[in-house]
Amino acid sequence: QSVLTQPPSTSGTPGQRVTISCSGSSSNIGSNIVNWYQQLPGAAPKLLIYSNSQRPSGVPDRFSGSKTGTSISLAISGLQSEDEADYYCAAWDDSLNGWVFGGGTKVTVL
Amino acid sequence: QVQLVESGGGVVQPGRSLRLSCAASGFIFSNYAMNWVRQAPGKGLQWVAVMSYDGINKNYAASVKGRFTISGDNSQNTLYLQMSSLRPEDTAVYYCARAKDRATVVTPFDYWGQGTLVTVSS
Repeated sequence: QSVLTQPPSTSGTPGQRVTISCSGSSSNIGSNIVNWYQQLPGAAPKLLIYSNSQRPSGVPDRFSGSKTGTSISLAISGLQSEDEADYYCAAWDDSLNGWVFGGGTKVTVL
Repeated sequence: QVQLVESGGGVVQPGRSLRLSCAASGFIFSNYAMNWVRQAPGKGLQWVAVMSYDGINKNYAASVKGRFTISGDNSQNTLYLQMSSLRPEDTAVYYCARAKDRATVVTPFDYWGQGTLVTVSS
C-alpha cells in the first residue's frame, strides 16, 4: 500500500489531454514539494517534473504539474505515442523522514 | 556527462548479505546527496535510503532500517549499499539516484543508474 495514492491506469488517444492525480497528506504533499518521474518500458525512471511544476531541461512543455493542498496532478497535453509509460509522484514525508512514492499510473496511448 | 553505474546484484539466500556499488562519473561526487531506490518485479518504486553530500546525514525506509547501510567513498566516486539479513521481499532492481541540489536531501532525483537486480531466494 503506497503512502501516495495514484490511479493505476489511464488512457487517451493521440492529441488528447490526460491527467494523473496523486493524493497524500499534510506530512508529505501538504508540506513539501512534489516530483514526478516517468519510466518508459524497460528503462530507468527519469525526472519529469520537480518542485510541483518545474520542468527539467529537455522535457516538453506538454507536461505540466499543479498542486492544491494535499493533492497534485500531472497533465499531459497533446498526448503522443512516446508518452506511453508509467508515471510516479514522490514527496518527502516529514513523519516518516524519508521519500514516499505513489503506486504509479500506467498511461496507454490508444 | 553524468553517469551512474550500479553493480553487485545477484542471487543470494535469505539471511545472507550483499553489497551493491554505484560508480559515479561526470560530476563532483562529494558535492551531492545520493539515494537508493528499488523496484520489485512488476511493482512500483520504493525509496530505500539517502546520504547527504558530506556523509553525515543518512535516512532509511522503515522496511530496511537496521539491516541496510548506505555509505560512500569520495576517493572512488562510489556509493554503496550494504544489505544484511536479506529477505525474499528485498528482491528488486536497485537504482542509485543523484539528488539535484547540494544543500538538502529533500531534493529530486535528477540522474538515475540503470539498476542492478537482487534476487533473494533459497
